[in-house]
Amino acid sequence: ILNVEQSPQSLHVQEGDSTNFTCSFPSSNFYALHWYRWETAKSPEALFVMTLNGDEKKKGRISATLNTKEGYSYLYIKGSQPEDSATYLCAFGGSNYKLTFGKGTLLTVNP
Amino acid sequence: EAGVTQSPTHLIKTRGQQATLRCSPISGHTSVYWYQQALGLGLQFLLWYDEGEERNRGNFPPRFSGRQFPNYSSELNVNALELEDSALYLCASSRNRVMVNQPQHFGDGTRLSIL
Repeated sequence: ILNVEQSPQSLHVQEGDSTNFTCSFPSSNFYALHWYRWETAKSPEALFVMTLNGDEKKKGRISATLNTKEGYSYLYIKGSQPEDSATYLCAFGGSNYKLTFGKGTLLTVNP
Repeated sequence: EAGVTQSPTHLIKTRGQQATLRCSPISGHTSVYWYQQALGLGLQFLLWYDEGEERNRGNFPPRFSGRQFPNYSSELNVNALELEDSALYLCASSRNRVMVNQPQHFGDGTRLSIL
């Protein structure tokens, strides 16, 4: 059974704080690592797809890094805003050509 | 461009019945994926269709099945419904069949409740 673990499970921060979460995944048979943002009452939205060890991606105040050798990815949010409140999902894409999702990190940004 | 659309939004069934969920992908996307999110669990991969064929399947019993039509829309059928089938079912699409290297675009989901 393939395990994708995300930590923490939930996180409360104040507006303006910077924060980060972790996604751990198998270090073998790696093809891609996805990050999605899922706001309440909306559909999951793709943030990043990373495929190479050492990849760094950035979208506005959100960035992500990838270490395929040790099997982890970090998602960073700089200067959190209330609109960043959402569940952040990572998904591991392996040689079996399907995505395995973690359970997500629920971020709440208090104004 | 129109996003991924799913219908119905909510579906209420009783044990033993059959449910059909529908999904229309983004125009130009040929791959459609189905996921289940049951309470307390992450998104679980159900099925992947591309160019009208089932390409991969998750660890679900055969009573979960589906198909993809020539216009790339898709149906998910769940037979002999059980209480534990109560979940949010999400459909996603992507541009081509190399699924793991392409971002997936999700619909809003169908909430299936089994009474």
